[in-house]
Amino acid sequence: DAGVTQSPTHLIKTRGQHVTLRCSPISGHKSVSWYQQVLGQGPQFIFQYYEKEERGRGNFPDRFSARQFPNYSSELNVNALLLGDSALYLCASSLTEGSNQPQHFGDGTRLSIL
Amino acid sequence: GDSVTQMEGPVTLSEEAFLTINCTYTATGYPSLFWYVQYPGEGLQLLLKATKADDKGSNKGFEATYRKETTSFHLEKGSVQVSDSAVYFCALRSNTGFQKLVFGTGTRLLVSP
Repeated sequence: DAGVTQSPTHLIKTRGQHVTLRCSPISGHKSVSWYQQVLGQGPQFIFQYYEKEERGRGNFPDRFSARQFPNYSSELNVNALLLGDSALYLCASSLTEGSNQPQHFGDGTRLSIL
Repeated sequence: GDSVTQMEGPVTLSEEAFLTINCTYTATGYPSLFWYVQYPGEGLQLLLKATKADDKGSNKGFEATYRKETTSFHLEKGSVQVSDSAVYFCALRSNTGFQKLVFGTGTRLLVSP
C-alpha cells in the first residue's frame, strides 16, 4: 500500500507570493496533520483536520490555512510568503482523530523562499 | 505549555558501541511518548512509543522506558550499526483529544565503521 504522498517535493518561491502544498493520506486514513520543520529544528504542529473539519491549530499566523477534501486529501496554503517560511513541510495521516492513533509521515515538501 | 528537551548532537560512535540519547519532557497529565527517526531527505518514521508510566517501547534493537518520576524517555541501543546514522526526535502527545505532537530539536547520530 502507498504511504503518505506529498507534492511537490521541492518548491522555490519569492517573498510575497503564495503557495499550495498537497497531501494524500494512506488509503482509509481520515485524519491529516501538517507540520513545519525549519532546518536544524524539530517539526512544529500547524493544523489537524478530520472529516473535513479543523480539529487543532498550532501557533501560526493567519497567513497559513488548510482544508481537507471529501477523499481526505488535504492542502496547506501559505499567503504573503516570508523568508522565514523556508522549511520542510510534513504531512501526517492517521486512521481516526483519536490521540492514541499512530501518525504516519510523508517525505515532505521542501519550500525555499528567495 | 508542553515541551521536550533532547541532548544536543552530534553523537559520534563507532559501530557496535552502546547508544544513549537523553530526552526529558514537561507536560500536564499523562502524555504518550515517542521516538521518531529521520534519514536524510526523508520524512519521519515512528521508531517506538510508550503510552503510560513504566511502559517500555522497543523496535529494531532500540528501547526506551517511560519514567514519570524523572519525566524522561531516554533512547538506548546495545550495539549500533552504520545504518543507524540518522536524526532522532523525541516527541510527546498529550491526551487532550487531538493529535498535536510536540517534538524536541533532534539529535544527530553518526556511526563510523
